[in-house]
Amino acid sequence: KAGVTQTPRYLIKTRGQQVTLSCSPISGHRSVSWYQQTPGQGLQFLFEYFSETQRNKGNFPGRFSGRQFSNSRSEMNVSTLELGDSALYLCASSRPPLDWGYTFGSGTRLTVV
Amino acid sequence: AQTVTQSQPEMSVQEAETVTLSCTYDTSESDYYLFWYKQPPSRQMILVIRQEAYKQQNATENRFSVNFQKAAKSFSLKISDSQLGDAAMYFCAYRSPRCICSGATNKLIFGTGTLLAVQP
Repeated sequence: KAGVTQTPRYLIKTRGQQVTLSCSPISGHRSVSWYQQTPGQGLQFLFEYFSETQRNKGNFPGRFSGRQFSNSRSEMNVSTLELGDSALYLCASSRPPLDWGYTFGSGTRLTVV
Repeated sequence: AQTVTQSQPEMSVQEAETVTLSCTYDTSESDYYLFWYKQPPSRQMILVIRQEAYKQQNATENRFSVNFQKAAKSFSLKISDSQLGDAAMYFCAYRSPRCICSGATNKLIFGTGTLLAVQP
């Protein structure tokens, strides 16, 4: 059974650029969430999607956006990148209400220079 | 707002010994889930064990078990017969509510993590 797949694994971008990260959940999982992990702030919730609808959004500026497609795959976009956006971005999928455990991908390491 | 606190930034254990990682949380809700996740250097978050708040029985998964004290809002992880492969960052996480109802905050709230070293 395939796990949660995140692409790309590593990304280097220049300040001011925009970036799109992709997440393919486990087959049958309709809920996808995104988290940002940094040494200073730890793990912070970005947003959650369920059946193509954004259900919750964390306390991040509008430069952070996302979407979910009909096949449950999700993308997140960060526009006008800042140095502070450098982080590990983790995607997790789950299958509520049958299973409330989140399965995480290996993340995308974004470096903004 | 819910918070999760892990007061041990680093822990060390000898191979084959037992270690307990601490986690406390603050919530006014009665229905929620608690999780322990492991993040090795490969950086993938791996679910170690979960506990439903409505269950009084402590969860167990092979060498991993929890001590869930709902009234004290404590959720510690015990690792028995520690192995070198257990070395990782361990995160305690909280999630509520159990429903997927509109407007519900179905997000994981993480603690700051405990870095576990296993000495051979």
